[in-house]
Amino acid sequence: DTAVSQTPKYLVTQMGNDKSIKCEQNLGHDTMYWYKQDSKKFLKIMFSYNNKELIINETVPNRFSPKSPDKAHLNLHINSLELGDSAVYFCASSRSEEQPQHFGDGTRLSIL
Amino acid sequence: GENVEQHPSTLSVQEGDSAVIKCTYSDSASNYFPWYKQELGKRPQLIIDIRSNVGEKKDQRIAVTLNKTAKHFSLHITETQPEDSAVYFCAARGGKLIFGQGTELSVKP
Repeated sequence: DTAVSQTPKYLVTQMGNDKSIKCEQNLGHDTMYWYKQDSKKFLKIMFSYNNKELIINETVPNRFSPKSPDKAHLNLHINSLELGDSAVYFCASSRSEEQPQHFGDGTRLSIL
Repeated sequence: GENVEQHPSTLSVQEGDSAVIKCTYSDSASNYFPWYKQELGKRPQLIIDIRSNVGEKKDQRIAVTLNKTAKHFSLHITETQPEDSAVYFCAARGGKLIFGQGTELSVKP
């Protein structure tokens, strides 16, 4: 069983479209995260949720909106996609903010 | 703001040699320091971590050292093998987890 699962694995879409990425963890963790990894491999935190509550919101454009329906799910919706949004987006979870994070397999987003 | 600097950005060693990756952090409140390994096209995976009340931790061929005074921590891999080839990330957690820029390690057979 995959501990942190993301869908879709690949996402190719046109500039200006709206898309969503889903993330689910079956580890019983309280904290979930979204990271963006750009072409230079740099991993940058975007959002962090603890028990469905937003605790970290980095300087991310408001076109990105996370939603946590319950503590096992953290989805990411992106409006009006731009070329610069092309990256790999990783979801992660941890038991608490001070515990090791477990990453999903990533979603490779390509904007045409 | 909070920052983690990682060096070198690329590292090439011969199989059997040791590899050392170094990181410095800026937030003196940082108390948790994990290291992640990311193989090509895969997800980052935790390989070892250390907390601020410990100066050194070892797990088989991997060891991590922490110098809180200097705000510096390092990853040591001994007897490197080709399967150690990957990108390695350090990270430091104060208020949030900040990653270093990554080190691409290449182990040549």
